[in-house]
Amino acid sequence: AQSVTQLDSQVPVFEEAPVELRCNYSSSVSVYLFWYVQYPNQGLQLLLKYLSGSTLVKGINGFEAEFNKSQTSFHLRKPSVHISDTAEYFCAVAGSNYQLIWGAGTKLIIKP
Amino acid sequence: SAVISQKPSRDICQRGTSLTIQCQVDSQVTMMFWYRQQPGQSLTLIATANQGSEATYESGFVIDKFPISRPNLTFSTLTVSNMSPEDSSIYLCSARQTMNTEAFFGQGTRLTVV
Repeated sequence: AQSVTQLDSQVPVFEEAPVELRCNYSSSVSVYLFWYVQYPNQGLQLLLKYLSGSTLVKGINGFEAEFNKSQTSFHLRKPSVHISDTAEYFCAVAGSNYQLIWGAGTKLIIKP
Repeated sequence: SAVISQKPSRDICQRGTSLTIQCQVDSQVTMMFWYRQQPGQSLTLIATANQGSEATYESGFVIDKFPISRPNLTFSTLTVSNMSPEDSSIYLCSARQTMNTEAFFGQGTRLTVV
């Protein structure tokens, strides 16, 4: 069975500082991993995805993530955050039957 | 990619009534899903909407409470029946084409039951 653990429910960080949002997964099938962002009162938007190939994946808005098979992790990083990055971030792994298995989410709080 | 239009975007309903949420995709998609999201929480899958057959419900969700239709490859509806305040939540429609592609989401329906 597949599962996703997001290790931090909230991450406060100062503006222009780097940030890492942690995600660990377990999967018994081919590993397809995703990070989504949800801004207040909006739907979910894809930030980036890992399907195969290079383990360093670049996404929108300056975010990137690294797939680490040995540590079963897919952490999201940004070298310098902006106030507009304030949102909730969800990690997901593809399960069976086309479903995505979701983490609990991490609130990114940007301090001015 | 796919663009999903979901409506209504929000509604306030009386308890005991029903609300039907519509989800329209701008291209044919293999799979469509309905989620519920409580404020500040993650997504909970309600059911997979199957084209031409009955939806597949997750544990804790039943057809009588959440009837779903999917008449074709671009459209689905979710009805929240006999509503109570506990049904107040955000309902999200999602679509996915293949196992190795991302899911796309509508903007959600914010439902308040009074």
